[in-house]
Amino acid sequence: GDSVTQMEGPVTLSEEAFLTINCTYTATGYPSLFWYVQYPGEGLQLLLKATKADDKGSNKGFEATYRKETTSFHLEKGSVQVSDSAVYFCALREAGGTSYGKLTFGQGTILTVHP
Amino acid sequence: GAGVSQTPSNKVTEKGKYVELRCDPISGHTALYWYRQSLGQGPEFLIYFQGTGAADDSGLPNDRFFAVRPEGSVSTLKIQRTERGDSAVYLCASSQGAGVRAQYFGPGTRLTVL
Repeated sequence: GDSVTQMEGPVTLSEEAFLTINCTYTATGYPSLFWYVQYPGEGLQLLLKATKADDKGSNKGFEATYRKETTSFHLEKGSVQVSDSAVYFCALREAGGTSYGKLTFGQGTILTVHP
Repeated sequence: GAGVSQTPSNKVTEKGKYVELRCDPISGHTALYWYRQSLGQGPEFLIYFQGTGAADDSGLPNDRFFAVRPEGSVSTLKIQRTERGDSAVYLCASSQGAGVRAQYFGPGTRLTVL
């Protein structure tokens, strides 16, 4: 079945550092890929998405590129802020079938940014 | 506008008891999803409704779990004979149709089975 693997955390960075959180996936067909973020005390929020190969999703300074050849969707940000401290989840959605709409999540990566 | 709401926010129960968890989706959203998130893990899919019908219940772990959405809006996740392993955060999400539409998540219900 489909699966998503994220780099193990937690990740601790200083403010203005460069961030990469790795995400690779296994899926049949051509899934859509997502990054969700969960800030402390809040619910899951969609951060960005990409629906086909070579698409780049971006939001709030975060970017991720759908790489079909490496089955990856790594999250990057050039300069993190303390307010970026949160748990980040990579997820995929199958392209069709009866599970159309179902999200498969990675295990999450905790990011802590220090001033 | 109002987001997805879930009640209760916390539920503590004893092993063997029955619990109901409620989800109020965003108004007008036809698709509704339930996920379960154990500590330190990502959410795991349980069941998906399109309108009133369960289009995919392949994620329900066993027949102690059941969910309904009788009028195509509010949904209730029901767990019979709860076990300690059922302790988790239960998340509900809704979307304006299925497939490519973005899913909006509620804050979750934290279930603790003693």
